[in-house]
Amino acid sequence: AQSVTQLGSHVSVSEGALVLLRCNYSSSVPPYLFWYVQYPNQGLQLLLKYTTGATLVKGINGFEAEFKKSETSFHLTKPSAHMSDAAEYFCAVSGRSSASKIIFGSGTRLSIRP
Amino acid sequence: EPEVTQTPSHQVTQMGQEVILRCVPISNHLYFYWYRQILGQKVEFLVSFYNNEISEKSEIFDDQFSVERPDGSNFTLKIRSTKLEDSAMYFCASSAQAGGSLGFNEQFFGPGTRLTVL
Repeated sequence: AQSVTQLGSHVSVSEGALVLLRCNYSSSVPPYLFWYVQYPNQGLQLLLKYTTGATLVKGINGFEAEFKKSETSFHLTKPSAHMSDAAEYFCAVSGRSSASKIIFGSGTRLSIRP
Repeated sequence: EPEVTQTPSHQVTQMGQEVILRCVPISNHLYFYWYRQILGQKVEFLVSFYNNEISEKSEIFDDQFSVERPDGSNFTLKIRSTKLEDSAMYFCASSAQAGGSLGFNEQFFGPGTRLTVL
C-alpha cells in the first residue's frame, strides 16, 4: 500500500523568503513521486516528478524537490517566494506499473505575505 | 499542446438524478482515470480504465458509478442516482501507452467538472 503525509495544512511565508513544504511517503515498492499545484478554482498542474536517476529534481516556476529514500521524504522547496506562488500544493505517489493510480496527500495551502 | 478536456465545467443536479460527466482524453492515450476532490479535501482516486475494462477501482466507486468509452474519443463517468455527498470536483486524466518498466507514464489531468447536488 502507498500513502503520503504532508506536514502542515497551511504554510505562510513572506515574499522573497524560502518556501519549504514537507512530504513523507510510504511505499512497499520504489515509487514515483510528484508535486502538483492547484490554483483557486483550477485543475491540477504537475510541478515536478521523481521517477529515477538524480534525486534532486527541478520543476517549473523555480521549485525543486529532493528524494531522500533513507528519510522517505520528498520535500518541496523554492529559494525565494513570489506572490504568484500562493496556491494549494499536493504531494503524490504512484506505483511504476502502467495505469497505476496516483495517491495524493491532503495538501498544503501556501500563503505569501507581502 | 494536446490536453484533456472535460464538459461541462459545472453541473448542478437534484438528488436522485443521473448525471454523466464527459472527458476527452489526449488522442493517443490508452489509460484513463477519474478522480474526485470534495471541497477542501484531497484528491481521491475513483477508477482506472484500459482496453475497455476497469483496471482498478476504489471503495468510493460503488454500484452507483459506471464508466464508459462510448466511442474513440470520449470517456464518461455516470452517477446513477446522485447523493448530496457526491458534490465534488471530478477530474479526468489520461496517460500514454509507454510506461511501467519501459518508462514513466505521466497522467495528464483535465480542468475538472464541478458537480453540485442539491
